[in-house]
Amino acid sequence: GAVVSQHPSRVICKSGTSVKIECRSLDFQATTMFWYRQFPKKSLMLMATSNEGSKATYEQGVEKDKFLINHASLTLSTLTVTSAHPEDSSFYICSARGGAKETQYFGPGTRLLVL
Amino acid sequence: DAKTTQPTSMDCAEGRAANLPCNHSTISGNEYVYWYRQIHSQGPQYIIHGLKNNETNEMASLIITEDRKSSTLILPHATLRDTAVYYCIASNAGNMLTFGGGTRLMVKP
Repeated sequence: GAVVSQHPSRVICKSGTSVKIECRSLDFQATTMFWYRQFPKKSLMLMATSNEGSKATYEQGVEKDKFLINHASLTLSTLTVTSAHPEDSSFYICSARGGAKETQYFGPGTRLLVL
Repeated sequence: DAKTTQPTSMDCAEGRAANLPCNHSTISGNEYVYWYRQIHSQGPQYIIHGLKNNETNEMASLIITEDRKSSTLILPHATLRDTAVYYCIASNAGNMLTFGGGTRLMVKP
């Protein structure tokens, strides 16, 4: 199946700093990528949808100025958590849609801990 | 996306078939049924999807009822590594996927 990578896999940062998470589709081109967030024992919650070369579409309640998304190429999307706070600590997962059947494939996730 | 309903949890003996049901009674004609699973602390893994016909791949089989109101994911010979949360999602091809609570499958020795 198609492979999606994320980097870093885990990150610890101080409150007030910014953290960038990269999502790459390794063996296919993805015109659309998605960013999800998952809290412990909860299901995935969609944060935003990004299309290559255009602005991301954010879900209700997700602050676009806090969670900056850039989708500069067909294989790379980045999520930057700006001025991170402890409540931003979560498991962030990206997915990329592609392949012959336009299936969504997920990355391994990035665990963020804000101290 | 149409709402899906799955049991919260299920147990299965190692080596036996695991049959995971999903109800999607309000599914529309152009919505596919997707199955993903999430092993603890990992991203979801694509398993299989289908529209009307039954589907089979190296991981599982998907049986969709004729009226498309429900489906069953079958893992033919469950192993301990199949322990995971299984998500059934009804969605148009190309749409973003909305995750519900899923079924927590526990495969026991």
